[in-house]
Amino acid sequence: DVKVTQSSRYLVKRTGEKVFLECVQDMDHENMFWYRQDPGLGLRLIYFSYDVKMKEKGDIPEGYSVSREKKERFSLILESASTNQTSMYLCASSQAGGGGEKLFFGSGTQLSVL
Amino acid sequence: DAKTTQPPSMDCAEGRAANLPCNHSTISGNEYVYWYRQIHSQGPQYIIHGLKNNETNEMASLIITEDRKSSTLILPHATLRDTAVYYCIVHGSNFNKFYFGSGTKLNVKP
Repeated sequence: DVKVTQSSRYLVKRTGEKVFLECVQDMDHENMFWYRQDPGLGLRLIYFSYDVKMKEKGDIPEGYSVSREKKERFSLILESASTNQTSMYLCASSQAGGGGEKLFFGSGTQLSVL
Repeated sequence: DAKTTQPPSMDCAEGRAANLPCNHSTISGNEYVYWYRQIHSQGPQYIIHGLKNNETNEMASLIITEDRKSSTLILPHATLRDTAVYYCIVHGSNFNKFYFGSGTKLNVKP
């Protein structure tokens, strides 16, 4: 069975802390994504990566950075956490291709910034 | 990627078919229609996708109109466990970005 694993299910951090959210996929997928989900706003794309060391900004990249040093791992970094970054964070992966690829999601990390 | 329009909520009786509509009038020729669902506090789960033809798998059926401007997801025998938010997404190959709208909250009632 395909798997996207996020390192933490729940996380509580203080304002100003540096926060790392880790995501690992076991499907040898080229593409990996980070979304955040907030009530009433749906899923919003933060960053995605289409290859090792390659990244593209999504719709809401401000306050976030990402790292992809290995194909299977995609990290989301909050350089200095703020309360407005309290959210559910979802990692996903897909194969590269010309259309028709499926997107697979992890279970999510509920981050609370106090 | 084309935008989709879905009703915010729908009810369905347990055991009956659930028919979830989606409008995607600006869809282009190389864009697929995908359906995902999200059960509370979990990551979205893939259900089905199609390009032009109707599709069926063990979870659901997807009916796409001939002009491809709308589609319907059919859960043939809804159960209480099908209560979730269902997202209709239109996606081509543009940098492989999937865009999620607000979805339809399906309430399956006993």
